[in-house]
Amino acid sequence: QKEVEQNSGPLSVPEGAIASLNCTYSDRGSQSFFWYRQYSGKSPELIMFIYSNGDKEDGRFTAQLNKASQYVSLLIRDSQPSDSATYLCAVIEWTGNQFYFGTGTSLTVIP
Amino acid sequence: KAGVTQTPRYLIKTRGQQVTLSCSPISGHRSVSWYQQTPGQGLQFLFEYFSETQRNKGNFPGRFSGRQFSNSRSEMNVSTLELGDSALYLCASSLDLAGLGGELFFGEGSRLTVL
Repeated sequence: QKEVEQNSGPLSVPEGAIASLNCTYSDRGSQSFFWYRQYSGKSPELIMFIYSNGDKEDGRFTAQLNKASQYVSLLIRDSQPSDSATYLCAVIEWTGNQFYFGTGTSLTVIP
Repeated sequence: KAGVTQTPRYLIKTRGQQVTLSCSPISGHRSVSWYQQTPGQGLQFLFEYFSETQRNKGNFPGRFSGRQFSNSRSEMNVSTLELGDSALYLCASSLDLAGLGGELFFGEGSRLTVL
């Protein structure tokens, strides 16, 4: 059973639009949620983390967490071609032992 | 500040052989985690080492093993290679135990091809 699920995409949005990336997780006791970005042929890098229900904004990025629905999302406003990458959702489950990663959503921003 | 360094970057092995991959974490980081990345399965957790001790282990067979040295450098070993072991192996370092929620810093990975 998968712990973290994401739509694999590909998701295509025009430049300047809002990209919405979604992630669901199975462990209701999960406490920490992360979004990593991975460019093709590169290693993942952290974009944002969120611990509490609600929204957290950092520049053009907004993470949204709804623990009741076991759902976390990432919104990218004013999408740029440089945002084209695979976005990985990661969750630390209640035992706090390890990260569980989704398989990632491929995003393409079309100029 | 140097990042996470993994060697070798690319390697080709044949079935039945064994392989050792190396990871040097960011200076001062005490935790090293290893992940296997494949197109179908995404990032799968292998194990985490902290202060030379394996702290957590994922659902991989015993052919996958690792260790950590006193300088926090880590190695992972895969014995009796199978075709399905072909993957990108990523190492991630963090200041403290990964499960405490700090940022993971990934290396560029070692791409293993098993023929």
